[in-house]
Amino acid sequence: DAGITQSPRHKVTETGTPVTLRCHQTENHRYMYWYRQDPGHGLRLIHYSYGVKDTDKGEVSDGYSVSRSKTEDFLLTLESATSSQTSVYFCAISLAGGADTQYFGPGTRLTVL
Amino acid sequence: AQSVSQHNHHVILSEAASLELGCNYSYGGTVNLFWYVQYPGQHLQLLLKYFSGDPLVKGIKGFEAEFIKSKFSFNLRKPSVQWSDTAEYFCAVLNAGNNRKLIWGLGTSLAVNP
Repeated sequence: DAGITQSPRHKVTETGTPVTLRCHQTENHRYMYWYRQDPGHGLRLIHYSYGVKDTDKGEVSDGYSVSRSKTEDFLLTLESATSSQTSVYFCAISLAGGADTQYFGPGTRLTVL
Repeated sequence: AQSVSQHNHHVILSEAASLELGCNYSYGGTVNLFWYVQYPGQHLQLLLKYFSGDPLVKGIKGFEAEFIKSKFSFNLRKPSVQWSDTAEYFCAVLNAGNNRKLIWGLGTSLAVNP
């Protein structure tokens, strides 16, 4: 398995609180992605990064921000969590971007009460 | 908008039965195609992929998929399933005009009864 870790693995928080999820990779891959997985919606891209400090929005970016200050870390922040953001969040990495295989982390289960 | 359609949302099979999961996409240009699997409680893993060449692609664990360009399809097959194949299967498509973003199908949940 690719060297991808996500922290925390589980989190319960309250509406209105900020939450930061961390994705850490040891593969030195250039591209990193944040997805959310929800029943009936499959995987939806939130944000992605194509290099340090280079990020772009995915299809469901509202309410989320990201930062990438180092190659190995990609942070996803929910500025003010809402119940609609209860989901399983997956980080993925790829070496060369679009045409390359994406490798996934173990996921973070987030519950917003 | 580009889309990926997985026709079967839930499939139940007995062990040793043959499997075929459908995947169709809407983009008409050059595509790269993927099948991922997610075992219960685990992360997604790549089963197989097609970029070019032989349209019949062999993957891990005895899975294969065939790219039929004229039908915009990339169906996943396995001749004889096992209980351990119980999982969710996702098809994903990248087109040449898409900026490094895969388009994902909604997934097919496969349950194999022993």
